[in-house]
Amino acid sequence: DSGVTQTPKHLITATGQRVTLRCSPRSGDLSVYWYQQSLDQGLQFLIQYYNGEERAKGNILERFSAQQFPDLHSELNLSSLELGDSALYFCASSLRQGSSPLHFGNGTRLTVT
Amino acid sequence: ELKVEQNPLFLSMQEGKNYTIYCNYSTTSDRLYWYRQDPGKSLESLFVLLSNGAVKQEGRLMASLDTKARLSTLHITAAVHDLSATYFCAVDIGGTASKLTFGTGTRLQVTL
Repeated sequence: DSGVTQTPKHLITATGQRVTLRCSPRSGDLSVYWYQQSLDQGLQFLIQYYNGEERAKGNILERFSAQQFPDLHSELNLSSLELGDSALYFCASSLRQGSSPLHFGNGTRLTVT
Repeated sequence: ELKVEQNPLFLSMQEGKNYTIYCNYSTTSDRLYWYRQDPGKSLESLFVLLSNGAVKQEGRLMASLDTKARLSTLHITAAVHDLSATYFCAVDIGGTASKLTFGTGTRLQVTL
């Protein structure tokens, strides 16, 4: 168990809808990362937060947004969902940026129908 | 843009055999990570390599990093079925905006 908690585990929704994925980092970790894993794109970095501030952005669509709250949990909001957004979304956390490995949660599997 | 390539993409090997997975990356970096992922599961950190020439070993797996060649290897010794999984390397180019760029993954299947 990595100590990173993601909810929900599974999410099935229709195109055009909006969903929120939630992540609680390991105790003491300040950095939170979001990744998307799909068969065609592999593991894609979406966005990183450090102690509440956005620090890095990857291939995150404008329809997607995220935030990290004062208690350090993070939420990834996905709106105007399309079929191609179906994927496994991972949250990861680390103590600090740089030399620490990322500890991944179990992911949220999103299916858009 | 940083590109991380792994080969092979798929590897089927018999128990007891040795093999090496290669990870090449396109931009200077001295931070490389190896992860393991079982089907439908999360990613588990295996190794953290933080300098040129770094070598780490855990059980039947050994990882090394050559920053000049921009190459990391994951060597499997005397494979066992339990090692069947997908292995990813990931590179961090560092700086204040630290993020990992993952390779394509190598799916390892160890047969009896």
